[in-house]
Amino acid sequence: AQSVTQLGSHVSVSEGALVLLRCNYSSSVPPYLFWYVQYPNQGLQLLLKYTSAATLVKGINGFEAEFKKSETSFHLTKPSAHMSDAAEYFCAVKAAGNKLTFGGGTRVLVKP
Amino acid sequence: EAGVTQFPSHSVIEKGQTVTLRCDPISGHDNLYWYRRVMGKEIKFLLHFVKESKQDESGMPNNRFLAERTGGTYSTLKVQPAELEDSGVYFCASSQVAGWGASSYEQYFGPGTRLTVT
Repeated sequence: AQSVTQLGSHVSVSEGALVLLRCNYSSSVPPYLFWYVQYPNQGLQLLLKYTSAATLVKGINGFEAEFKKSETSFHLTKPSAHMSDAAEYFCAVKAAGNKLTFGGGTRVLVKP
Repeated sequence: EAGVTQFPSHSVIEKGQTVTLRCDPISGHDNLYWYRRVMGKEIKFLLHFVKESKQDESGMPNNRFLAERTGGTYSTLKVQPAELEDSGVYFCASSQVAGWGASSYEQYFGPGTRLTVT
C-alpha cells in the first residue's frame, strides 16, 4: 500500500521568498512521484514528476523537487514566490497499478 | 488539443435524487480515471477504465455509484440515490495506454464537477 503525507494544509509566504512544500511518501515498490497544482476554478495541472531518472526534477513555473529515497521525501521548492503561485498544491504517488494516491493538499497564500 | 472536459461544472441536488456526471477524455487516451475530493479530505481514487473495461474499481464507495464507458470514449458516473456524504468535487483524468515509459503514467485532469447534495 502507498500513502502520501503533506505537512501543512496552509502555507503563507511573502512575495519573493522561498516556497517550500513538504511531501513524504510510503511505498513498498519504487514509486513514481508527482506534484500537481490547482489554481482557483481550474483543474489539476501537472507541475513535475519523478520517474526514476534524475533525482532533482525541474518543472514548470520555476518549481523543482528533489527525490530523497533515504528520507522518503519529495519536497517542492521555488526560490522566489510570485503572486501567481497562490494555489493549492498536491503531492501524489503512483506505485503498483495506475491509480494515484494523493496527499491532503497544501494551500499557498502569497503576501505582497 | 482539447483537454479533459467534465459536465456539469456544478450540480446541486436533493438527497435521494439521481445525478449523472460526464467526462470526455483527451482524444486517443485509452485510460480514464475518476477521483473524488470530499470537503477537507484528500483526493481519492474511485475507478479506472481501460477503453470500455473497468480495470480497477476498488475505490468505488458503494453500489449507489455506477460508472460506464460505452464505446471506450466518454464516461459517465451516476449516483443514485444521492446521499449527503456524496458531496464533493469529482475529477476525471485520462492518460495514454499504460505501459513502461514515463509519458504513459502522466494523468491529465479535468476541471472537476462540484456536487452538492442538500
